[in-house]
Formats: sequence, structure tokens, C-alpha cells
Amino acid sequence: DVKVTQSSRYLVKRTGEKVFLECVQDMDHENMFWYRQDPGLGLRLIYFSYDVKMKEKGDIPEGYSVSREKKERFSLILESASTNQTSMYLCASSTLTFYEQYFGPGTRLTVT
Amino acid sequence: KQEVTQIPAALSVPEGENLVLNCSFTDSAIYNLQWFRQDPGKGLTSLLLIQSSQREQTSGRLNASLDKSSGRSTLYIAASQPGDSATYLCAVGTSGNTPLVFGKGTRLSVIA
Repeated sequence: DVKVTQSSRYLVKRTGEKVFLECVQDMDHENMFWYRQDPGLGLRLIYFSYDVKMKEKGDIPEGYSVSREKKERFSLILESASTNQTSMYLCASSTLTFYEQYFGPGTRLTVT
Repeated sequence: KQEVTQIPAALSVPEGENLVLNCSFTDSAIYNLQWFRQDPGKGLTSLLLIQSSQREQTSGRLNASLDKSSGRSTLYIAASQPGDSATYLCAVGTSGNTPLVFGKGTRLSVIA
């Protein structure tokens, strides 16, 4: 079975802190994605990557950056956390042709 | 731009009832369509994937159909159970190197 893991289930950070969210997949998938999910707004794509060291902006990249140094790992970075970045963050992976996307368990981030 | 709509946003049914969840999309030039389940506070679990060349897919009590020409997909759940209570999301993949487009989901409650 494909497994996508995220470094934390719950995270509490203070305004202005630099925050790292890690995602690892074990199925040698080329594509990886970061979403945030908020009530009433649904899933929104932040960034995605279709290869190592490659990244593409999604719908809401402002305030975020990403890093993909290895194929299996995709990191989301909040350079200076703000309260409006309190959200559920979901990582996903899929093969190059976007065949069946698999999600991690999510990280509930609270910024105070 | 592809848009995906799921109506209704919420649905409540008695246990044992057969039910249909709806998903519509605006651009019929899709690559595949995927149905997910999400339990509260958790990640998304892939239920069924339908390729553009297919008309339906089945897994246990679940059956998903796809009608590209009308821009619609349905998820049929037979003999619903309280354990089916969750939010169901559909997502459409378009051709090329583009991410899935998600609907906002239908929140299903199955009452015992």
C-alpha cells in the first residue's frame, strides 16, 4: 500500500516563527502536493512538485515556500507564520501522469 | 478553467438506504475522476478512480459512474451504514501536467 506520512498531526506555533512541515512518501511517486483545507473553502493547492528540485505555484502560494531535495520528501515552509495560516495542511503524492492521488493524515497547525 | 461542484453540501439518511452523491464538472476534457472519503480531522482516502475511457468502477458497496459528455459523475452507496458517515469529495484530473481540481464535498450522515 502507498503510504504518505506527515511529520506532525498537531502543531502549535507563535506568530513570526519559521515553520517546517515535512511529508514523505514511500512509493517512488514523481508528483507531490501541498494543500490547505479550511471550512467553507475546501481544499486549496499551495505548491506542487513533479520532480526533485522542481516546484510549481498552486492557487495560494503567498506566505509559503517549498523544498524538494529528494524524490520521497516534500517540505512546506512558512517563513514567518501568521494567524491566518492556522489550518489543516494536507500532503499528497501521485505518479507522473497524476494517476490516483494519495494523501497523508494531515497536520493541524495553529498559529497563536 | 475547470470547476467541480458537489450538491448537496450535506445529506442525512437513515441506515440501510441506498444513496447517490453527485459531482459535476464544467470541462468534459478530463483525464480521470477520483472519489475520496474524509473523516473529521483526517486526511483523504481514495475510494475509486475512473479513467476517462471508463464508464464506471465498483468497490464493495460503492459504485462510481462517469458521463463525460454531460460533465457528471455519481457515487452510489448501497445499504448505507453509520460507518459511512463522512465527507465525500470528488476531484477531476485534466490532461497534461496539471493538478486535480476538487469539489467542496458532500457531508454524509447515516443515522442508525
